[in-house]
Parts: sequence; structure tokens; C-alpha cells
Amino acid sequence: DTAVSQTPKYLVTQMGNDKSIKCEQNLGHDTMYWYKQDSKKFLKIMFSYNNKELIINETVPNRFSPKSPDKAHLNLHINSLELGDSAVYFCASSPSRTGLNRELFFGEGSRLTVL
Amino acid sequence: QKEVEQNSGPLSVPEGAIASLNCTYSDRGSQSFFWYRQYSGKSPELIMFIYSNGDKEDGRFTAQLNKASQYVSLLIRDSQPSDSATYLCAVNGDQGAQKLVFGQGTRLTINP
Repeated sequence: DTAVSQTPKYLVTQMGNDKSIKCEQNLGHDTMYWYKQDSKKFLKIMFSYNNKELIINETVPNRFSPKSPDKAHLNLHINSLELGDSAVYFCASSPSRTGLNRELFFGEGSRLTVL
Repeated sequence: QKEVEQNSGPLSVPEGAIASLNCTYSDRGSQSFFWYRQYSGKSPELIMFIYSNGDKEDGRFTAQLNKASQYVSLLIRDSQPSDSATYLCAVNGDQGAQKLVFGQGTRLTINP
């Protein structure tokens, strides 16, 4: 069983379109994240939810809207896609917010290509 | 100044040698430090974490932390071709912080 699963794995779309990426974790973790990895491999946090509550919202354009219907799911909707949105988007989860060892468990990534 | 800095490489090491990967961070309040390995086209996977000054060993891997110098490193002994990957250093803030901040990664190639 995949611990953190994302769909779709690949997404090719035109500029201006709207698209969504879904993420589910079966680890029982309280916290979920969206990270963006650009072509230079730089992995940057976008959002974090703890028990369905938004706790981190980095300086991301408001075209990006996360939604967490329950603590096992975190989706990402992107409006009016731009060329610069092309990247690999990783969903991740971690156990409760307390403690020093806050290991991230990553999904396989969703490669988004905007043409 | 970037929050977490790594030499992007590529770093080329002969098989059987020691690979040394370095990382510096800017936030003095950082408390825990992670090394992730990422194979091409795959997701990052945790190799080690460390939060006390000094060395921590796990098999062929040793993480070293020096909080005074704001420096963390990863040594890989007896390097194998399968160790060829990008290594990401990540730093967690104080206990109130909820995010890992990653460096840009060091691409490591082990030559047979």
C-alpha cells in the first residue's frame, strides 16, 4: 500500500487552464504539505495543513488554492496556469507537530508541464 | 542569504572512497537537521536526521552537526554507484515551526 499517493503523476496542459492535483495519506499523520520542486531541484514549501487547518501559506500566488476535506487528504487547485508553474509538485505528510524529528514522507510527485 | 545552502555540485567520487556533503544554515534557532536522498525522477527519502552537536552514525552514513558554526554534513563511507543521487539538506526551525526548509541539493556521482 502506498503511504502517500498523488494523482495524476503527469499533467500536460495549456496556459490559462485550471487543474487540480489530489493527495491522500494512509499513515494517520496530522500534518500534510505541498512542496514545489523546480527544474533546478530546489524544493520549496507552498502550504501546510494540520488537522484540516491551514498553518503555513508561503508567498504563493492566490491562483493556487489548497483544500483539505479531512486530515488524510490535501488537494491543490491551480487557476489560470502559467508557464512558470511547470514543476514537480510533491505532497508530503508528517506525524504530529510536536517533537524534533518531524520527518516528511513524500508522495511520488506530480509533474506539471504548462505549454 | 539563502536559509539553507549547499554546493550544487556535481560532486564526483570514486567507488569505495568517502563522499563528503556539506550544508550551512542561517537560522540559529534551528533545532533539527535532515538529509534526504533523491534519485532522478523519484521522491526524496530520508537518510538521517540529527539534532545534537557531534556525530551520528548509521551504517555507511555519518551525519555531523556543529550548531556554533551552523554547519551540518553527511559522510558516506565505502561509496557505491547506487549512492549516486541528489542529496538534500533540510532544516527545521524551533518547535513552533512547522516546515522543513531545503537546500538546493548536491548532485553526487560515484564512479566505478
